[in-house]
Amino acid sequence: DTAVSQTPKYLVTQMGNDKSIKCEQNLGHDTMYWYKQDSKKFLKIMFSYNNKELIINETVPNRFSPKSPDKAHLNLHINSLELGDSAVYFCASSQVLSTGELFFGEGSRLTVL
Amino acid sequence: DAKTTQPNSMESNEEEPVHLPCNHSTISGTDYIHWYRQLPSQGPEYVIHGLTSNVNNRMASLAIAEDRKSSTLILHRATLRDAAVYYCIRNSNSGYALNFGKGTSLLVTP
Repeated sequence: DTAVSQTPKYLVTQMGNDKSIKCEQNLGHDTMYWYKQDSKKFLKIMFSYNNKELIINETVPNRFSPKSPDKAHLNLHINSLELGDSAVYFCASSQVLSTGELFFGEGSRLTVL
Repeated sequence: DAKTTQPNSMESNEEEPVHLPCNHSTISGTDYIHWYRQLPSQGPEYVIHGLTSNVNNRMASLAIAEDRKSSTLILHRATLRDAAVYYCIRNSNSGYALNFGKGTSLLVTP
């Protein structure tokens, strides 16, 4: 029974399209995150939600819009995809913001052609 | 900016102990030290974390220097499955999410 699950695992799309990645956690955690891992393998925080409220919003283009319908879900919608958006996107959750253990999903590999 | 320094890569023989160093010389008194690892094609997984005292769990041990400017993750008996990128992260209890640096790529050879 997967703790943090993301869909889809792989996504190939054309520049200019709009796409979404979904994330669900069944751990009962209050905080969820989106991370981006680029081709150089740097893992950077993008967003964090705590009880459905946006807590952290790093310098991310406003083409990226997270949405948290409830505290078990955090979806990532990306408008007008660009080549540089190609990366692996990881969803994570924790019970406590910043010091709690993070549980990561398996990642969603986005390729923009 | 993860504000930690780790070697880019290390190599170990299977079934031998591995000591992964991390330098965090500008650490503040409230910063925790976290270790995560990322196996190939997987998401990062938690290994251990601590504040001041040495910590042990089923995966590893964390030895924190007395001045807290460095720490060492100890894998007591490396297995092939331990080959991964190990990230040392410091962060304060200030509401910020963990920021990962480049980590140390550990190669374990039979």
